[in-house]
Amino acid sequence: DQQVKQNSPSLSVQEGRISILNCDYTNSMFDYFLWYKKYPAEGPTFLISISSIKDKNEDGRFTVFLNKSAKHLSLHIVPSQPGDSAVYFCAASARGASGSRLTFGEGTQLTVNP
Amino acid sequence: GAGVSQTPSNKVTEKGKYVELRCDPISGHTALYWYRQSLGQGPEFLIYFQGTGAADDSGLPNDRFFAVRPEGSVSTLKIQRTERGDSAVYLCASSPDRVQPQHFGDGTRLSIL
Repeated sequence: DQQVKQNSPSLSVQEGRISILNCDYTNSMFDYFLWYKKYPAEGPTFLISISSIKDKNEDGRFTVFLNKSAKHLSLHIVPSQPGDSAVYFCAASARGASGSRLTFGEGTQLTVNP
Repeated sequence: GAGVSQTPSNKVTEKGKYVELRCDPISGHTALYWYRQSLGQGPEFLIYFQGTGAADDSGLPNDRFFAVRPEGSVSTLKIQRTERGDSAVYLCASSPDRVQPQHFGDGTRLSIL
């Protein structure tokens, strides 16, 4: 049972344009959502998060949108840069439960072309 | 400052052997997590420590897997009688408490021959 899904294995965009990465979840107990970026042979790096009480959170070039009714979130990167090329993971947790264990999606490989 | 440190970075061993993987969390972080990542998948939760105790070990796949954190800092993941299916990248993460974002180490790539 895949509770967090990223349906696009890969995405390619031109430098300077917007990148939109999508994520869907099924567990209504999830109340905290995060995006991580991962380069080869490195661990995931935290990018941005959003609590279920909000529908938008912005940090520089990165914005995360949450649609609770649709159980959908997205990460927008504007403008995209070649250094953004990496695998992006969506993750979710139920912070009301013990431990805040993260449930991850399968990841989306983003390639930003110069 | 120093991030999460994991050693060794790579481990190759034969089927049936015992392995220990070490995690040094960020100083002062009380919450520590272990995850396992197989090729083409996202990380999967194994176990969570709050301080010295395992608060949630529901992700451990079977009783060959065990983890400790005796002094509330460094943690060791132990795998007995390794099987080829145990081959994966084992990731450790820490956070100041259970509601803050988790910060990951670079992982240990475990290969069972």
